[in-house]
Amino acid sequence: EVQLVESGGGLVQPGGSLRLSCAASGFSASNSYMTWVRQAPGKGLEWVSVIYTGGATYYADSVKGRFTIPRDNSKNTLYLQMNSLRAEDTAVYYCARGLVGSTTAFEYWGQGTLVTVSS
Amino acid sequence: QSALTQPASVSGSPGQSITISCTGTSSDVGGYDFVSWYQQYPGKAPILMISDVSHRPSGVSNRFSGSKSGNTASLTISGLQAEDEADYYCSSYTSSSTLVFGGGTKLTVL
Repeated sequence: EVQLVESGGGLVQPGGSLRLSCAASGFSASNSYMTWVRQAPGKGLEWVSVIYTGGATYYADSVKGRFTIPRDNSKNTLYLQMNSLRAEDTAVYYCARGLVGSTTAFEYWGQGTLVTVSS
Repeated sequence: QSALTQPASVSGSPGQSITISCTGTSSDVGGYDFVSWYQQYPGKAPILMISDVSHRPSGVSNRFSGSKSGNTASLTISGLQAEDEADYYCSSYTSSSTLVFGGGTKLTVL
């Protein structure tokens, strides 16, 4: 059974850093394309970043230069390293696995982890 | 990376059909057949309903269908049921190799 479990969320001050984890089970994260999507309280979905099987990574303009999406194949875990955090980064962060046979759709999602950026 | 445009809300009665539009540009929706649709219940993770404009993943009801014309993609739900009441989001691949979501549409089943 495919499962994604996010962790690492919490309260952080503006300008601080946080690393989110997305532990995958039931499949190999290195053989899948995966993404991070966030949702601010009461708002819509916002795409954050994607990593493809070959290692290529892409970022939304709103996080480029501040966030990275490393992957630890030995731990079957995806991360989102978030630096220089701002109040507008406050959101629930979801990780998701790509749909086999597609390259831009995400079939399996975690439960989300809440990041609050506030002093 | 401007968000795709969706109506804020749509409504329909049980048994009816509704369509949700998703309008972008030639740099996203119109340029690629990489539009997806997601359903989201309050406080829950999104659920993939349609991929690549019109493909239904395994397990998704055939009451859900997708299409595209020019820069506008559409999600149609036929035989509306109470359980379809949720938020719906479209997403598209872009010419910058990124993804972009629509603002979301709240579906109310009357």
